Amino acid sequence: GAGVSQSPSNKVTEKGKDVELRCDPISGHTALYWYRQRLGQGLEFLIYFQGNSAPDKSGLPSDRFSAERTGESVSTLTIQRTQQEDSAVYLCATRRTVSYEQYFGPGTRLTVT
Amino acid sequence: AQSVTQPDIHITVSEGASLELRCNYSYGATPYLFWYVQSPGQGLQLLLKYFSGDTLVQGIKGFEAEFKRSQSSFNLRKPSVHWSDAAEYFCAVGAPQKLVFGQGTRLTINP
Repeated sequence: GAGVSQSPSNKVTEKGKDVELRCDPISGHTALYWYRQRLGQGLEFLIYFQGNSAPDKSGLPSDRFSAERTGESVSTLTIQRTQQEDSAVYLCATRRTVSYEQYFGPGTRLTVT
Repeated sequence: AQSVTQPDIHITVSEGASLELRCNYSYGATPYLFWYVQSPGQGLQLLLKYFSGDTLVQGIKGFEAEFKRSQSSFNLRKPSVHWSDAAEYFCAVGAPQKLVFGQGTRLTINP
């Protein structure tokens, strides 16, 4: 597709369950980011992938959060044993190596009940 | 440490009026500066960016921003707003590899 896509667009889950969020990058974009946006808040950096380099995981809030990406392909963000405070919109963004602009997907709205 | 402050959480202006959204930053070197807009239910879209050179930068949708090093500011302006400008606006600062975003300013347009 032409842009970054994310699925699902909405996810409602029960506290304690695991969830997996997916991001499909723009073709050729080597860098991929995950952000969390809580209601009324700014974007909180979670993790950054650049090609085959080791990811920058410095923003992951706890060991319940993990993400994977193989090469320049799809990325998945997994949240284990979800808590109510995990409720947020999770945004994915991708960027070409030679560009400074991040292109954002529409986000996945996660609600933990 | 890098930080971005957008002092105004919510601003309301009348259609046709001028607009200025404030952004102040803290950064250890010459920063890369960005403004993004987020329309309801949509992802973020880049409005404009500053890396170096002319401190007044033009963006899409008639927006401009001015980098003032002495004030550590990068305020966004538009001379005449349209109802379609109602959205959330985010200022971001940092290196290209990693950006820090402000809390956002919600813009409401009165008809």
